[in-house]
Amino acid sequence: DADVTQTPRNRITKTGKRIMLECSQTKGHDRMYWYRQDPGLGLRLIYYSFDVKDINKGEISDGYSVSRQAQAKFSLSLESAIPNQTALYFCATSDLNRWIAGGPNEQFFGPGTRLTVL
Amino acid sequence: DAKTTQPNSMESNEEEPVHLPCNHSTISGTDYIHWYRQLPSQGPEYVIHGLTSNVNNRMASLAIAEDRKSSTLILHRATLRDAAVYYCILRGQTGANNLFFGTGTRLTVIP
Repeated sequence: DADVTQTPRNRITKTGKRIMLECSQTKGHDRMYWYRQDPGLGLRLIYYSFDVKDINKGEISDGYSVSRQAQAKFSLSLESAIPNQTALYFCATSDLNRWIAGGPNEQFFGPGTRLTVL
Repeated sequence: DAKTTQPNSMESNEEEPVHLPCNHSTISGTDYIHWYRQLPSQGPEYVIHGLTSNVNNRMASLAIAEDRKSSTLILHRATLRDAAVYYCILRGQTGANNLFFGTGTRLTVIP
């Protein structure tokens, strides 16, 4: 079973609809992230959370909100979807303790959710 | 965060070594150099990281210039499975320590 799962894997919706993308992890990591990727571009950070009580905006948070329901779950919401939010969305996790120990704070990514807003 | 510069694309023949360059002339003394790669239709995956010394692991080697203003990811024998976009990323030791992805280098492996 995958360590980081995302649901749904594909979603087509209409402008103005509310959409929630979900991410779950079994790695026991405390840090979770949401990124979006547009065609031909690298990933850009939307939101990140260092624990269930800590939520931080990333580079491109406008139009998005998040919820950290538990250590293992981090959801991304589009309150009113618009076409320029059509993108590939990735969730990732990392281990704070590994960073403190001098490790690379390696991030582990889910398989992605392809969202199309018509 | 300091910026990195990579070629947009590179090609390699299968089973030959590949050297992927990265320039990071504004790197600070505490920035780690990380490499991730993204295979087609997948999320990125960690490849290797280093601070000052060259590093080897089962996936690749990382050669870091003495002045740390550039680095090279080395795949010793490219396989078709190595075809991916490779990202060179600098990570600081303070702040949020998040990953900032550029556009990376798209590696094509020719059979």
